[in-house]
Amino acid sequence: GESVGLHLPTLSVQEGDNSIINCAYSNSASDYFIWYKQESGKGPQFIIDIRSNMDKRQGQRVTVLLNKTVKHLSLQIAATQPGDSAVYFCAESGSSNTGKLIFGQGTTLQVKP
Amino acid sequence: EPEVTQTPSHQVTQMGQEVILRCVPISNHLYFYWYRQILGQKVEFLVSFYNNEISEKSEIFDDQFSVERPDGSNFTLKIRSTKLEDSAMYFCASLNRGGDTEAFFGQGTRLTVV
Repeated sequence: GESVGLHLPTLSVQEGDNSIINCAYSNSASDYFIWYKQESGKGPQFIIDIRSNMDKRQGQRVTVLLNKTVKHLSLQIAATQPGDSAVYFCAESGSSNTGKLIFGQGTTLQVKP
Repeated sequence: EPEVTQTPSHQVTQMGQEVILRCVPISNHLYFYWYRQILGQKVEFLVSFYNNEISEKSEIFDDQFSVERPDGSNFTLKIRSTKLEDSAMYFCASLNRGGDTEAFFGQGTRLTVV
């Protein structure tokens, strides 16, 4: 079956440092990937997405890298701030065309002041 | 900024009772979803809904669950006879089209079955 997983449950970084959150996926047919941020008691909030015909995409302070060869996705956050503290989920749309998302387990990012 | 709204924010119910979770998706969106998240776990897909019918559902979405879009604005999830293991956060999401676009999520309803 399809599954999306995250390498580390918790990542602790110093404020101002760069953060890298990793994700592995299993469905080689997946063509769309998304990173969501979830703060305590809130719903997932879209951060950035990438299609399978790209290997890198940049947003404001965030970059997503996609390595289809090893089915690996990463989220890089530059100059991490206390407000970045949250759980980060990668998700894939899989081979379904209904727009459903398959989420990974989540990585908790803790930013130390 | 448009948003998905969910009510109630917290619902406590006794085992065996029926609950209805309500969602108002973003107005021009056409695809609607329910997800759940058991405490400390990942977000799991339940069901997708398009053109007034279910387009896909997961194994979790058994006969106890149903969805409805009764009036063109609300999107509801009904659990007929709640079980203790139904306790979770339930998120509604919507898209303006299917496929590779971002889904907008609501703040969730915390369902506690006692």
